[in-house]
Amino acid sequence: AQSVTQLGSHVSVSEGALVLLRCNYSSSVPPYLFWYVQYPNQGLQLLLKYTTGATLVKGINGFEAEFKKSETSFHLTKPSAHMSDAAEYFCAVSEDSWGKLQFGAGTQVVVTP
Amino acid sequence: DGGITQSPKYLFRKEGQNVTLSCEQNLNHDAMYWYRQDPGQGLRLIYYSQIVNDFQKGDIAEGYSVSREKKESFPLTVTSAQKNPTAFYLCASRLSWTDTGELFFGEGSRLTVL
Repeated sequence: AQSVTQLGSHVSVSEGALVLLRCNYSSSVPPYLFWYVQYPNQGLQLLLKYTTGATLVKGINGFEAEFKKSETSFHLTKPSAHMSDAAEYFCAVSEDSWGKLQFGAGTQVVVTP
Repeated sequence: DGGITQSPKYLFRKEGQNVTLSCEQNLNHDAMYWYRQDPGQGLRLIYYSQIVNDFQKGDIAEGYSVSREKKESFPLTVTSAQKNPTAFYLCASRLSWTDTGELFFGEGSRLTVL
């Protein structure tokens, strides 16, 4: 069975500082990995995804993530935080191609001036 | 513009009442999903449908029911059997069951039981 662990339910970063959100997964087969962002009282929006190929994936809003098979990780980073990055971020994994995603518990990001 | 429309955005229910949440998509997607979101628990899958007139239970289907009579519509009924229905409900869709692409989400419906 697949599972996702996001380390840290809340992260506080200063504006302009590095954003690092950690995600570890378990999967019995090569996984499909996703990061989504959610603003208050809204749906989820895809930031980026890894299916096959290059392990460093670039997404929207300056975010990127690196798939590390040996560490079973898919951490999300952004070099310089912006106030608009304040939101909740979800890591998700799928073991097959038909979209039944397993979501992590989420990490709330607060950006301070 | 194409997208997923959920209604109502906010809903209040008395204990013992059934309520139906609407989800309509004009993306011509084959598969549709219902998730429940509670603070600190991420998203949990309630039901999903890969084609019209077919649907499967997800991880927490008890107390919920769905139908898929049209490709663009996937309503969720929260029945009185659901013991803790207060939550944020999200509908999602994707192009086909063989696609590795993203899920598209609606804006959500927040249900509160009084």
